[in-house]
Amino acid sequence: GNSVTQMEGPVTLSEEAFLTINCTYTATGYPSLFWYVQYPGEGLQLLLKATKADDKGSNKGFEATYRKETTSFHLEKGSVQVSDSAVYFCALSLMDTGRRALTFGSGTRLQVQP
Amino acid sequence: EAQVTQNPRYLITVTGKKLTVTCSQNMNHEYMSWYRQDPGLGLRQIYYSMNVEVTDKGDVPEGYKVSRKEKRNFPLILESPSPNQTSLYFCASSLHSGRGYTGELFFGEGSRLTVL
Repeated sequence: GNSVTQMEGPVTLSEEAFLTINCTYTATGYPSLFWYVQYPGEGLQLLLKATKADDKGSNKGFEATYRKETTSFHLEKGSVQVSDSAVYFCALSLMDTGRRALTFGSGTRLQVQP
Repeated sequence: EAQVTQNPRYLITVTGKKLTVTCSQNMNHEYMSWYRQDPGLGLRQIYYSMNVEVTDKGDVPEGYKVSRKEKRNFPLILESPSPNQTSLYFCASSLHSGRGYTGELFFGEGSRLTVL
C-alpha cells in the first residue's frame, strides 16, 4: 500500500534558521507529491507540489524536490519566520485513480521562536 | 470568496445520539471528500464523492454515512456516534476532470467532535 513517513516533531527553531523537514514515501505507481500546511485553527492548504521525478516545487520561500531514487520529498526553507509556525503535512496522490485520496504523513509541528 | 464551509465547528455529544456535520463549497467542484485527523495518524479519508449521487468509501468508513444530493453539499452523518469517533473532521473539494485536476484539495476549517 501507499504510505508517507515524516520526521516527528515538534521542530523548534529560532527566527532566520534553516529548516528541513524530512519526508519519504512508498507508493505503487507514480505519485504526485505535496506539502500541505495547517496554521492554528485553520484547515489545510496546499503549500507546494511536484508531479514527477526531479521536479522542484516552491512557494513562499519553501522548496521541495521530488527524488525518485531515494523516494523522498524533503521540505526546506532558508530562513524561517515566526509566521511559519504551523503543522506541515507531506502527502502523495496517485493522480490516475478515481478516489483522488491524498495519503498523508502524520504531520510535523514547527515552532519558530523570535 | 472561494471556500469550503463546515458546521458545526465544535460539537460535544453523547454516545448514540445521531448527528450531522454539514459541508458546502462554492467553487462548483465535482469532487468532495471527508477526512478525519487524529494525533500521530495524519488525515485519513472517510468517504468521497465524484459527483452528485456518486459516493464511495475511503479508508475508514465504518460508522459514517454520506449523501450527495446537490453538487455544493456533502454532509457527513454519524447515525450512532461512539467515543472512538472523537476526532477533528475536515471536508475537502477539488475539480474532478482529468485536465483540471491539479492534485490540490481545498479544505474546510475543520469540525472538532467529542463523543462522550
